[in-house]
This record gives sequence, C-alpha cells and structure tokens, in this order.
Amino acid sequence: DAKTTQPNSMESNEEEPVHLPCNHSTISGTDYIHWYRQLPSQGPEYVIHGLTSNVNNRMASLAIAEDRKSSTLILHRATLRDAAVYYCILPFSGYALNFGKGTSLLVTP
Amino acid sequence: GAGVSQSPRYKVAKRGQDVALRCDPISGHVSLFWYQQALGQGPEFLTYFQNEAQLDKSGLPSDRFFAERPEGSVSTLKIQRTQQEDSAVYLCASSFTANYGYTFGSGTRLTVV
Repeated sequence: DAKTTQPNSMESNEEEPVHLPCNHSTISGTDYIHWYRQLPSQGPEYVIHGLTSNVNNRMASLAIAEDRKSSTLILHRATLRDAAVYYCILPFSGYALNFGKGTSLLVTP
Repeated sequence: GAGVSQSPRYKVAKRGQDVALRCDPISGHVSLFWYQQALGQGPEFLTYFQNEAQLDKSGLPSDRFFAERPEGSVSTLKIQRTQQEDSAVYLCASSFTANYGYTFGSGTRLTVV
C-alpha cells in the first residue's frame, strides 16, 4: 500500500491561508489522493480528492505536483472552525482509507 | 436522515459481554464501511459492504468481530466477549460508490471495563 507522510502539527493565524503538505512518493498511477479532516469528538469529514489535476471546491483546493509524489491542501482563509486533524490518504484496494496520524492544525485568533 | 446515524453514542460493557453497534447510512448509499479509532490514533478500516454483500472483512481484528447488513441499508457491528483492547470509537461511513467521498457518522465510543 502506498504511504503518505505529513507533518505532525501546524499552526496558522485566523483569516490567513494555510498550506498543508503531504508526501506520497510511492503513489501509483491509479491512486487517488483524498483529504479528510476530523474535528474533536466527531467523525472524519470528507474535504477533497483528486488524481492529477488541481481541484477546487467550496471547502479547499488541492494542488497536486506534476510527478504526483506530493500534494498540498490549501485552506484559503483559515477560521477557528478549521482547527482539526487533517489526513492525506491514498485508499488501498481502491476504497479502504488508511488514515495514519495526520496533521493537527491549530488556528489562533 | 441527512447524515449517517450511529447508536448508541456511548456504550460501557463489562469484559466478556457481547455488544451490538448500529449504523443507519444515508438513504440510497450503496457502500458502507466500519472503522475503529483507538485513542490518539487515526481510524482503521474494519470492513466494507456493497449493498448487503460484505466484500471485504480483512480489517476485522478477530473472529469475535462480526458485521452484517442484511437488507442493504442498516448495518450492525457485533463484538462478542468484549476485551479491554476493544475499547475505541467505532465509526460508520457510507457513500454512493466505493471510491467517492464518504460521509461518516459521529461514532460509538465503546469502553470495556
């Protein structure tokens, strides 16, 4: 199974952009890159996913490197409600999510 | 309902007791998953259903764990003869397809004493 590497924690000021990096150097050509986040005492929440091209939705943007060995989740304007653990995931077997430890994002006012 | 509903929200079981955890997925969602999240860790895959068929149960930690989805909607995760190491949050997720964004429930926190 392809693995991902993320920083344990990051900190951001409120209303500033946040760039959350993820390395996945063993990614295969058919692996989608998924991002989920988990707020305290809640189940994970789907954020975004992509294959090769950059993706945007109402929550975030996903920038994928040309060689696909890394990606960056971009929160354009962090709010206090964005404080969560962010997981970068390459599903194995096409559907099963291996969450790992993720990046704990702290947002300060 | 609008989301994935799990019950009970909290469950305390004595060691050796059997427990059943329920998941009501979003109506029409074909795919259903169960995950286990130990304290301080990310969720780990347990099992996957497509409609009523259990297509993958490779993540179930022992034969004390059993999951079913008999009519392709509600699912139950059963744990027999609970042990302390079974203490965790059990999460259910559903989706229209197996490789699209999943909607998770809030989980059931199981504490075995």
